[in-house]
Amino acid sequence: DAKTTQPPSMDCAEGRAANLPCNHSTISGNEYVYWYRQIHSQGPQYIIHGLKNNETNEMASLIITEDRKSSTLILPHATLRDTAVYYCIVTFGATNKLIFGTGTLLAVQP
Amino acid sequence: NAGVTQTPKFQVLKTGQSMTLQCAQDMNHEYMSWYRQDPGMGLRLIHYSVGAGITDQGEVPNGYNVSRSTTEDFPLRLLSAAPSQTSVYFCASIHRVGTEAFFGQGTRLTVV
Repeated sequence: DAKTTQPPSMDCAEGRAANLPCNHSTISGNEYVYWYRQIHSQGPQYIIHGLKNNETNEMASLIITEDRKSSTLILPHATLRDTAVYYCIVTFGATNKLIFGTGTLLAVQP
Repeated sequence: NAGVTQTPKFQVLKTGQSMTLQCAQDMNHEYMSWYRQDPGMGLRLIHYSVGAGITDQGEVPNGYNVSRSTTEDFPLRLLSAAPSQTSVYFCASIHRVGTEAFFGQGTRLTVV
C-alpha cells in the first residue's frame, strides 16, 4: 500500500487560502488520493478525492501533479472552523483500505 | 438514512473482560472497517471487510475479532480487554471503490 508524507503542522490566516501538501511517491496507477479531516475527536470527515485529474467541490480543490507523486489540498477561504487535522490517504483499489498517516494540523489564525 | 451507527458511545471495562462494539450501516455499503485512535495519534486500521462473509486483518489486529454475517453489520469483539486497548474506536463504510468513506461518531473505550 502506498504511503503518504505530510508536514505535521501549518498555520493559515483567516480568509486566506490554505494549501496543504502531500507526497505519495509510491502511488500506483489504480490508487486514489483522498483527503479527510478530523475536528477534535469527531469521526473523520470526507473532503475530496481524485485519481488523476484535478477535482473541485464545494469544500475544496485537489491538485494532483502529472506524475501523481504529490498533491495539494486547497481550502480557498479558510475560516476558524477549518482548524483541524487533515489526512491525505492513498487507497488500494481492490480492498479500498484507508491507511491513515499522522496528518497535518492546520491552525487557522484570526 | 442513519449512516454509520456505533454503539455504545462510551464504555468502561475491567481488564480481562470481553465485549462487542457494534457498527451498523443502512447504506448497503460493501466495504466496512474498524479503526482505533489513541490520544494524539492518527487512526490505525484494525480489521476490514470487502463484503459479507469476507474479513481481513489491518495494521493492528491482535486482541480483536470481527465477523461480517450481513452487509449491514460489522461487530468488533475484544476477547480479553487490556489497558493498552483504551482508545477511541471508529467504524467506517464505503459503497464501492473510488467513493467516499462514511465514519461513525466513535466509541470511547477505557480499560481499567
